[in-house]
Amino acid sequence: DAGITQSPRYKITETGRQVTLMCHQTWSHSYMFWYRQDLGHGLRLIYYSAAADITDKGEVPDGYVVSRSKTENFPLTLESATRSQTSVYFCASSEASGGALTQYFGPGTRLLVL
Amino acid sequence: SQQGEEDPQALSIQEGENATMNCSYKTSINNLQWYRQNSGRGLVHLILIRSNEREKHSGRLRVTLDTSKKSSSLLITASRAADTASYFCAGLKDTGRRALTFGSGTRLQVQP
Repeated sequence: DAGITQSPRYKITETGRQVTLMCHQTWSHSYMFWYRQDLGHGLRLIYYSAAADITDKGEVPDGYVVSRSKTENFPLTLESATRSQTSVYFCASSEASGGALTQYFGPGTRLLVL
Repeated sequence: SQQGEEDPQALSIQEGENATMNCSYKTSINNLQWYRQNSGRGLVHLILIRSNEREKHSGRLRVTLDTSKKSSSLLITASRAADTASYFCAGLKDTGRRALTFGSGTRLQVQP
C-alpha cells in the first residue's frame, strides 16, 4: 500500500531552470493538492485539482504550472525557478465523497534554488 | 493570508503533563482540522471538528471549537515523548473546493 509518494525527495537547481516535482497516489482520490511550507508561514496552497483535467489556483500560484491528465498523478512544474521558490513542497490527496474531508500528505520534496 | 494562527508558537513540557494548543481563525469555516508533523515528514491528520460541534475526543486528544470566537483548542493528555512534533490547525471553508488554509503551527517538545 504505497499511498501517496513524491519524487524527488531532494532537489538542488539553479535560478532560471525548469523543475518538475512529481506526485503519485494509489488510492484513486479525486482531489489532489500542492502546498509549500516555509518557516513562519505554515503551509500555503499553490494549486489544487478536483479531478483529472480540472485544476485551479490556490493562494500562491505565480511561477508554478500543474497538470492532471491522470487521476493518480499531479505534477508541479516551476517553469523558471527563482530563489524565492526554495521551500519544502507537499502533495496531498482527498476523497471525493461528501464526508471525507481530510487530506493525506506525501513525505515532501525539499527544493533548493541557487 | 493564513486562516489559522496557533498559540503558543512553541511549547515544552514534561512527559505525563497535558499540552494545550490554541488556534484562532479569521473567516467562517465548515470544519476545522488538526494535523501533526514530525520533523522532516509529511502531515498526518489527527482530528476534524465540524462547525456545528463544540467538542470532540479521540484517544488522548480533545478538541474544542468556539465559532463565536473563531477559535479552537487541541488538548493532548498524558503526553509522551513520541508526541514531540509540530501541530497545525487548518480551516476548510468550502467543502466543494476542499482547500485547507493552515496556521503557522505550534512546536511541541515533550521531555522524557
